[in-house]
Amino acid sequence: QQQVKQSPQSLIVQKGGISIINCAYENTAFDYFPWYQQFPGKGPALLIAIRPDVSEKKEGRFTISFNKSAKQFSLHIMDSQPGDSATYFCAADAGKSTFGDGTTLTVKP
Amino acid sequence: GAGVSQSPRYKVAKRGQDVALRCDPISGHVSLFWYQQALGQGPEFLTYFQNEAQLDKSGLPSDRFFAERPEGSVSTLKIQRTQQEDSAVYLCASSAGTGGTIIEQFFGPGTRLTVL
Repeated sequence: QQQVKQSPQSLIVQKGGISIINCAYENTAFDYFPWYQQFPGKGPALLIAIRPDVSEKKEGRFTISFNKSAKQFSLHIMDSQPGDSATYFCAADAGKSTFGDGTTLTVKP
Repeated sequence: GAGVSQSPRYKVAKRGQDVALRCDPISGHVSLFWYQQALGQGPEFLTYFQNEAQLDKSGLPSDRFFAERPEGSVSTLKIQRTQQEDSAVYLCASSAGTGGTIIEQFFGPGTRLTVL
């Protein structure tokens, strides 16, 4: 049973646009929700993370919105740049990480 | 070292061979995780160490998979009698956090295993 569902599978955005990736979880024991960025041939790197007692967290161009009652959270990338083209994974942690299946983002110049 | 390192970066094995994958975590990091990442999918948890103790091995897919961290630093993931379905990228991550709540995990570049 997939505990973290991520959508869309792929996303194409124009430079300067907003990229939005969504995740939903089922296990209410999760207490930490990180987003990772992964480039080909590299391991995932932490981008931004949130705990469930906060509804929004912003770091630079990256924002997480968290809806505890709906068990959903999303990543917004403002002013998307071609260098943001990568695969993004959401995860939910409860002592160990459960990852979504990833979203391949392409930002066109 | 500056980050988590893994070796080898690429491994090709014939079906039935045994393989050993090494992870060097960030110095001083207590927690160490192994994940398996199939092509086009997210990483899946395999096992977790706190120092030398293997506290969670619930993700190991079969008894052909074995992990150890005897001195609480370097870890080895061993796969016996490899099968084609074992082909994946094996990721190692370390964290300064302990206990039930994880803080930031730092991932290595992974070892890409191909079983022919």
